[in-house]
Amino acid sequence: GENVEQHPSTLSVQEGDSAVIKCTYSDSASNYFPWYKQELGKRPQLIIDIRSNVGEKKDQRIAVTLNKTAKHFSLHITETQPEDSAVYFCAASIRGNKLVFGAGTILRVKS
Amino acid sequence: NAGVTQTPKFRILKIGQSMTLQCTQDMNHNYMYWYRQDPGMGLKLIYYSVGAGITDKGEVPNGYNVSRSTTEDFPLRLELAAPSQTSVYFCASSNSNTEAFFGQGTRLTVV
Repeated sequence: GENVEQHPSTLSVQEGDSAVIKCTYSDSASNYFPWYKQELGKRPQLIIDIRSNVGEKKDQRIAVTLNKTAKHFSLHITETQPEDSAVYFCAASIRGNKLVFGAGTILRVKS
Repeated sequence: NAGVTQTPKFRILKIGQSMTLQCTQDMNHNYMYWYRQDPGMGLKLIYYSVGAGITDKGEVPNGYNVSRSTTEDFPLRLELAAPSQTSVYFCASSNSNTEAFFGQGTRLTVV
């Protein structure tokens, strides 16, 4: 079945620095890769997603890159702010169903 | 729109008891999912459904059952509660290769 590996498990950065979180997936049929942010005690919420026909997508300070050959995708957050502190999850979906998540990355932005 | 609604928000069960976690969505989504999230951990897929009448196992289905008699509802059944099932349960829904919306979660404790 699909397996999604996520690294690092924790990440501390200084305010204003960039943060990068990486994920790899196992099933080459995966074609949808969302990223979710979960604040303490709350539900996960989508921050950005990318489909397999696109190599990169950007939304203000957040960008996602996809390398289908290597089967990995990454989240890039630039100019980090304290409110970016949260748990971030990557996920992969096979043919639009069976959405499988990575283990999560705790991001701490130090001010 | 209410989005994805889960009930109850909190529940304490004794070992061996049974219960059903309710999940309803009003977005006419085809796909629905149940995840569990242990403290400090990621989201593990329990069961998912691609449409009414169709369900399939995820990564951790043992000890759970689901049904999908309508597009809107996707209840999760625990038959013989065990301490290992203490967790936060999230229901989610989506259409193919689009954002998955999560319910607010159910915090279950088995004692």
